[in-house]
Amino acid sequence: EVQLVESGGDLVQPGGSLRLSCGASGFTFNEYAMTWVRQAPGKGLEWVSGITGSGGSTYYADSVRGRFTVSRDNSKSTVFLQMNSLRAEDTALYYCARDYFGPGSYSPFDYWGQGTLVTVSS
Amino acid sequence: DVQLTQSPSSLSASIGDRVTITCRASQNIGNYLAWYQQKPGKVPSLLIYVASTLHSGVPSRFSGSGSGTVFTLTISSLQPEDVATYYCQKFDSAPPGITFGQGTRLDLK
Repeated sequence: EVQLVESGGDLVQPGGSLRLSCGASGFTFNEYAMTWVRQAPGKGLEWVSGITGSGGSTYYADSVRGRFTVSRDNSKSTVFLQMNSLRAEDTALYYCARDYFGPGSYSPFDYWGQGTLVTVSS
Repeated sequence: DVQLTQSPSSLSASIGDRVTITCRASQNIGNYLAWYQQKPGKVPSLLIYVASTLHSGVPSRFSGSGSGTVFTLTISSLQPEDVATYYCQKFDSAPPGITFGQGTRLDLK
């Protein structure tokens, strides 16, 4: 059974940093690209970032490029999202998701974690 | 940049009704379009990908159609468990990359 479990969400002040983790199990991790999607309270879905199965290529939404960094440790079946220079508008539930089409980029997402909440506020 | 616009933003329908949600892309995205369902308080789930292919385990009352700039999600006979918000998503590489529509909230009349 595929499982994705996010962690690391917290209350942080504007300008602060946070590192999210997503542990995966139930599939061969390096055979799938992984993605972060966020959802602000009461709002819609926003794609944040993606990383290919090898970790060799990364992709970012314009809203986070230059502030967020996605990475992965295939030996630990974990994907990370390092978030710096956080803003109030980054407040959201952050989901980790698996790319359906495999290790490459640009795919729909077939499995989602339960999300981890990031709140940016003073 | 390619924008996705869903219509309507919300709708109410009765059990057994045929429901159609539309997603319009501002530029041609071929068939790089997926649909998701998000029930209240739950995680999104994939319904349809490449515009018309039903994801494994999704009931056959759901269907998708379209290509290029206009896409539709249809529920042939609405069931109580279909109350949810539905999102379209483009997943091609054209800027701005992966994008979701704003969502369509579906509830029971």
